[in-house]
Amino acid sequence: AQTVTQSQPEMSVQEAETVTLSCTYDTSENNYYLFWYKQPPSRQMILVIRQEAYKQQNATENRFSVNFQKAAKSFSLKISDSQLGDTAMYFCAFMLMTGNQFYFGTGTSLTVIP
Amino acid sequence: NAGVMQNPRHLVRRRGQEARLRCSPMKGHSHVYWYRQLPEEGLKFMVYLQKENIIDESGMPKERFSAEFPKEGPSILRIQQVVRGDSAAYFCASSPSLTYYEQYFGPGTRLTVT
Repeated sequence: AQTVTQSQPEMSVQEAETVTLSCTYDTSENNYYLFWYKQPPSRQMILVIRQEAYKQQNATENRFSVNFQKAAKSFSLKISDSQLGDTAMYFCAFMLMTGNQFYFGTGTSLTVIP
Repeated sequence: NAGVMQNPRHLVRRRGQEARLRCSPMKGHSHVYWYRQLPEEGLKFMVYLQKENIIDESGMPKERFSAEFPKEGPSILRIQQVVRGDSAAYFCASSPSLTYYEQYFGPGTRLTVT
């Protein structure tokens, strides 16, 4: 079975500072994808970043980057130069390459303080 | 290209009534997925459909819930004889053929059972 754990229910960061959200996962498979999704108050699910497990290089997307540690089954999200619009729930998610469904963590509520 | 459309955005039903949730996938997408988000939780997979076929319903409750994706028209998630525990946000996602990791989410339908 695949599980995703986000151990930080809530976090806050000052505007323009950097924050890191943690995620660990468990699987016996070797080939999979990892994702971070953002859910603002509108509830729309927005893809932030995606990482293929076979790639050693960490994915980056503008101010967002990940630290992917495959052996430790860890996938953290770093947000640099935090902006007020980053305030949202952030969900870590996992998908097997042979699968068709996401497994989501319980989310981290991030508040950016002006 | 319009995104994934869901309607209604909000639905209130009394216990025992039926709820019908609709999802129109993005143009050109033939795969539809339904997820449920209970309060304070991440999204959980319910069912995966292609046109006229249910491919994976491993996340669907055994009773009262059904889903379809007809040849013409939107995908429908139907909940019969709703109970308070069915109150949740229901998200639909769609993907192009065979790229399951490219799921685009709709804005969700928030179902409230009174």
